[in-house]
Amino acid sequence: KNQVEQSPQSLIILEGKNCTLQCNYTVSPFSNLRWYKQDTGRGPVSLTIMTFSENTKSNGRYTATLDADTKQSSLHITASQLSDSASYICVVSAPGGSYIPTFGRGTSLIVHP
Amino acid sequence: SQTIHQWPATLVQPVGSPLSLECTVEGTSNPNLYWYRQAAGRGLQLLFYSVGIGQISSEVPQNLSASRPQDRQFILSSKKLLLSDSGFYLCAWMRYGQGIYEQYFGPGTRLTVT
Repeated sequence: KNQVEQSPQSLIILEGKNCTLQCNYTVSPFSNLRWYKQDTGRGPVSLTIMTFSENTKSNGRYTATLDADTKQSSLHITASQLSDSASYICVVSAPGGSYIPTFGRGTSLIVHP
Repeated sequence: SQTIHQWPATLVQPVGSPLSLECTVEGTSNPNLYWYRQAAGRGLQLLFYSVGIGQISSEVPQNLSASRPQDRQFILSSKKLLLSDSGFYLCAWMRYGQGIYEQYFGPGTRLTVT
């Protein structure tokens, strides 16, 4: 069964600090992995998307890494800001016309001043 | 550019009442469309998806139904709401290009069943 596990479930950090969120998946075969940011009461917004051939991708202060061999991904947030407080969701898709991506439950990040 | 709309934004309905949530997509044709539900503090649960007009696949048996009367319109319905139907409902469409599937989400509808 395809699964996406995220850790930690929740995280609290001080403003300005860095943090790293983890995503492990069992989806096989693998097409691409996406990280979304979901603010409370809003729809998820895409941060990064990576195919199996990509190891890292950045979007401003967000940097995602992918190890397709170990089926692990991480999202690193640099110099956190209060606006980074949100849920971060890892999503993995299989190739070949599979229309149903597999979602992780998300990591809830709270940034305190 | 593509845009996805959902309405209403919030809804409070009594148990046993009907439900109709609407989702429309602009700027693309023949998109794959999805309805998800997110309970408080939980992940997204896929309810329905559609690959074309009149084509609906259900992922979770429940008292909800979906319809796709037009190419870019997706409707989530219920004849009689249950308390357990409360949650945050998200509509999404999927784009495929250069070997990559990418989903885009609407703003969501917060449903409270009382």
